[in-house]
Amino acid sequence: GDSVTQTEGQVALSEEDFLTIHCNYSASGYPALFWYVQYPGEGPQFLFRASRDKEKGSSRGFEATYDKGTTSFHLRKASVQESDSAVYYCALGSNSGTYQRFGTGTKLQVVP
Amino acid sequence: GPKVLQIPSHQIIDMGQMVTLNCDPVSNHLYFYWYKQILGQQMEFLVNFYNGKVMEKSKLFKDQFSVERPDGSYFTLKIQPTALEDSAVYFCASSLGLGGRYAEQFFGPGTRLTVL
Repeated sequence: GDSVTQTEGQVALSEEDFLTIHCNYSASGYPALFWYVQYPGEGPQFLFRASRDKEKGSSRGFEATYDKGTTSFHLRKASVQESDSAVYYCALGSNSGTYQRFGTGTKLQVVP
Repeated sequence: GPKVLQIPSHQIIDMGQMVTLNCDPVSNHLYFYWYKQILGQQMEFLVNFYNGKVMEKSKLFKDQFSVERPDGSYFTLKIQPTALEDSAVYFCASSLGLGGRYAEQFFGPGTRLTVL
């Protein structure tokens, strides 16, 4: 069945470091892909989405590009801040288009 | 921004009892969802709901589960009877359009359910 994989369970960085969180998916066609951020005590918050090959989504300095060839949607940020510390989820739109399938999440910790 | 509220934030219940989880979705949203996250695992889709009916449900949505939103009030998830494996955090979400492709889903903070 369709699935989304995040390889990093945890990432630790210093402020101003470059961030990459890997997301790969397995699905037919062109499913929509999403990134969410979750802060402690809150639900996931939508960051951005993309639904076509080579489409770039971006928000709050984060970006990801839909790559059909490598079935990837990696999250990147050029310079992280301590306030970016959170759990990041990659998600895949279902075949039916009615819900999203989430990855296991990547916990980002940024130290000053 | 728009907020989804969930009541209660924590619930502890004995196995076999009934529990109702409440969700107050964003006011003009039309689609409602429940997701389940067992500690240390990914969040998984349970069910979505539109126009008074279940649209789609996953294998995790057992016969003991039911959802409703009577008269535009809370969107509820009822489990009767509860089992030990129902212990998890349950997230409610709502969206203006269908949430699998274009529409942004707004999530509540979750209800942590512990079944003893």
